[in-house]
Amino acid sequence: GDSVTQMEGPVTLSEEAFLTINCTYTATGYPSLFWYVQYPGEGLQLLLKATKADDKGSNKGFEATYRKETTSFHLEKGSVQVSDSAVYFCALSAWDNYGQNFVFGPGTRLSVLP
Amino acid sequence: NAGVTQTPKFQVLKTGQSMTLQCAQDMNHNSMYWYRQDPGMGLRLIYYSASEGTTDKGEVPNGYNVSRLNKREFSLRLESAAPSQTSVYFCASSTRQGSLYNEQFFGPGTRLTVL
Repeated sequence: GDSVTQMEGPVTLSEEAFLTINCTYTATGYPSLFWYVQYPGEGLQLLLKATKADDKGSNKGFEATYRKETTSFHLEKGSVQVSDSAVYFCALSAWDNYGQNFVFGPGTRLSVLP
Repeated sequence: NAGVTQTPKFQVLKTGQSMTLQCAQDMNHNSMYWYRQDPGMGLRLIYYSASEGTTDKGEVPNGYNVSRLNKREFSLRLESAAPSQTSVYFCASSTRQGSLYNEQFFGPGTRLTVL
């Protein structure tokens, strides 16, 4: 079945450091890919998405490129801020034999220190 | 436009008690979902409703029932709560764009403790 693998956390960085959170997927169909962010005590919010190969999703300084050849969708940000501290989820949406399927990764907790 | 709303925000139950978690969306979405989130396990799908009048089991449906009351509302019922159902419950909705569903929109969650 479809699955999403992302790097285990927690990830701790200093303010203004470069961030990469790795995400790879397996899917029988041709999925759309998403990054969601969850701040403490809140629900998940869509951060960015990409719906076809080589698409780059971007939002709030975060970027991720849909790489079909490596089945990856790594999240990057050039300079993190304390306010970026949250849990980040990689996810896919694809069709399988039973219909449409949403799959989430386990989440990566990011802590940014001042 | 409130998006996805959930009630209650917090709930404490005793083992064996029953309760219903309510969810409503005002975005005219066709599909709605119930997830539970446990530490270190990400999100797990309990039930979903692809359209009004249909419901299907997800990854962890045991101990739960759902009702798609109308296009806006999708409720989750625990008939006899167990401590293993202590979790944070999220409702989500999505619509369909082309041949793939668009992203999901999430509610703020219900934090349930079963003693």
